[in-house]
Amino acid sequence: DTAVSQTPKYLVTQMGNDKSIKCEQNLGHDTMYWYKQDSKKFLKIMFSYNNKELIINETVPNRFSPKSPDKAHLNLHINSLELGDSAVYFCASSPWGGGANGELFFGEGSRLTVL
Amino acid sequence: DAKTTQPNSMESNEEEPVHLPCNHSTISGTDYIHWYRQLPSQGPEYVIHGLTSNVNNRMASLAIAEDRKSSTLILHRATLRDAAVYYCILRDVGLNAGNMLTFGGGTRLMVKP
Repeated sequence: DTAVSQTPKYLVTQMGNDKSIKCEQNLGHDTMYWYKQDSKKFLKIMFSYNNKELIINETVPNRFSPKSPDKAHLNLHINSLELGDSAVYFCASSPWGGGANGELFFGEGSRLTVL
Repeated sequence: DAKTTQPNSMESNEEEPVHLPCNHSTISGTDYIHWYRQLPSQGPEYVIHGLTSNVNNRMASLAIAEDRKSSTLILHRATLRDAAVYYCILRDVGLNAGNMLTFGGGTRLMVKP
């Protein structure tokens, strides 16, 4: 069983469309995250949720709206897609405060291409 | 989060040891040193972490300088599967930020057969 799973793995869409990426973790963690990795390969935190509540929002445009229906899921909805949104989006999870190792568990990523 | 500095890239021969350096001269007393790696087309994965003492696990060893201003990740015998980007990250356990990690540019390790 995959610990942190994201769908879809690949997403190609037109500018102006609205799309969602889903994330689920089966590790029993309280905290989930979205990271964005752009073409220069820098990984940047976007959001962090703990027990369905937003705790970090790193100045991400309002077009990005995370939703956490329960603590095992953190979905990312993006409105009015722009060319600059093209990137690989990684979901991650961890125990609150990091647990024993402070380890984040990452999904395999969702590659979004906006044409 | 305090910053880290790593070389952009390094090369190694297969089955030889690799020493990946990281400078973190502004490290604070509550910062743990974490290493992650990202294999091609995958998400980052945890490698090792430490505070003051050297650490060993099944993947690697972490050597921490006595003043904690630098550290070295040691892969004892590089394999082709170790080709990845290695990130050195400082994690402040004094901050109640839900274990958020800030990634830098990392070191791209290339392993030659």
